Amino acid sequence: QVQLVESGGGLVKPGGSLRLSCAASGFTFSDYSMSWIRQAPGKGLEWVSYISSSSDYTKYADSVNGRLIISRDNAKNSLYLLINGLRAEDTAVYYCARVLGIAPTYFDYWGQGTLVTVSS
Amino acid sequence: EIVMTQSPATLSVSPGEGATLSCRASQGVSRNLAWYQQKPGQAPRLLLYGASTRATGIPARFSGSGSGTEFTLTISSLQSEDFAVYYCQQYFDWHALTFGGGTKVEIK
Repeated sequence: QVQLVESGGGLVKPGGSLRLSCAASGFTFSDYSMSWIRQAPGKGLEWVSYISSSSDYTKYADSVNGRLIISRDNAKNSLYLLINGLRAEDTAVYYCARVLGIAPTYFDYWGQGTLVTVSS
Repeated sequence: EIVMTQSPATLSVSPGEGATLSCRASQGVSRNLAWYQQKPGQAPRLLLYGASTRATGIPARFSGSGSGTEFTLTISSLQSEDFAVYYCQQYFDWHALTFGGGTKVEIK
């Protein structure tokens, strides 16, 4: 069955960097686009980034202001998100999700998320 | 970006009753709309896409309708496992995917 497992979250000081990982299994990873979506504590969902199946197209939410880099390694069935210049407002659970379709659309499978806390 | 507004914020329903949740887009999104269910401590689960197509394994008591700017998620005869938060999401503007703020369906 499809499984997505995030890791790499933790407590980070403002201005720091963090790389999140998402290990995929149960499907042909290289056939699917992927995204990261975050959820601040007690808040709603916010899409932050997208990457196409072959990494030739990436997209980011305006709110992250160029501080995020999404990447993937199809040989390792893994998705990554590098977050630079962390701010308090980046505190959230970060979910990786599989995208249906060849463009950013909707998300049919989600991981359980990894919590990023930005605090001094 | 397209702003998605959900109403009501909270809906109190008795088990066995039906529930109607609304989602409004600030501009037309055709039928490029998905609905998700999220239970406490869990990841969201895809319920519907294309405004009305049920995702794999989703019970028939979940149905969706609408197009353009007005959408509805209807849950007929709520079961105990249906009490959760529901989010709509537009993918018409795929340069900026956006979610609604959510509707919490709670036990009355």
